[in-house]
Amino acid sequence: GESVGLHLPTLSVQEGDNSIINCAYSNSASDYFIWYKQESGKGPQFIIDIRSNMDKRQGQRVTVLLNKTVKHLSLQIAATQPGDSAVYFCAENGSGGGADGLTFGKGTHLIIQP
Amino acid sequence: SQTIHQWPATLVQPVGSPLSLECTVEGTSNPNLYWYRQAAGRGLQLLFYSVGIGQISSEVPQNLSASRPQDRQFILSSKKLLLSDSGFYLCAWGTGVANEKLFFGSGTQLSVL
Repeated sequence: GESVGLHLPTLSVQEGDNSIINCAYSNSASDYFIWYKQESGKGPQFIIDIRSNMDKRQGQRVTVLLNKTVKHLSLQIAATQPGDSAVYFCAENGSGGGADGLTFGKGTHLIIQP
Repeated sequence: SQTIHQWPATLVQPVGSPLSLECTVEGTSNPNLYWYRQAAGRGLQLLFYSVGIGQISSEVPQNLSASRPQDRQFILSSKKLLLSDSGFYLCAWGTGVANEKLFFGSGTQLSVL
């Protein structure tokens, strides 16, 4: 089946620096993507989403970039804070619009160093 | 506002014992409901989803079953747990429209010993 995966399992950045988390997807028909943040022992929390008719979307301190040509998705976090330490997952819902949920990547563990 | 409740938070069960995890959603009607499992340090695997009362779709063959006795209640069960059933179980709900985002519960850490 189609898959969504991440390039790096762990990313360590200094507090205050910007971080970029990358995600590759293989389903060229995917048209909706989501980033989740999961803190230890908790459920994933929605951060930001983007549709395939966009290439960039911004939230509070976060920006998602979508490159459909190379099937690549990234999450940029500006001015990282200790509370940003978590595992970040990208997910896609394909193009069928069905009810069969999201397909998740393996996740990237973001570590914020003081 | 919508909320999702999942319990218990942690559970330790012997091999061969039964399992019942419950999830309820408040503040919305006719949600799509999901059970995911997450192995340590890994991504989320979809186990079951439901688009309505009594309607269950299974994504992977396994030792588990799901039921939806009420509109906003989703139950994950097993008659006899296996060691391989250990993991972090997450319930989620969605609004039922295309390209939906999902909202997750706080999870249940299940250890089968």
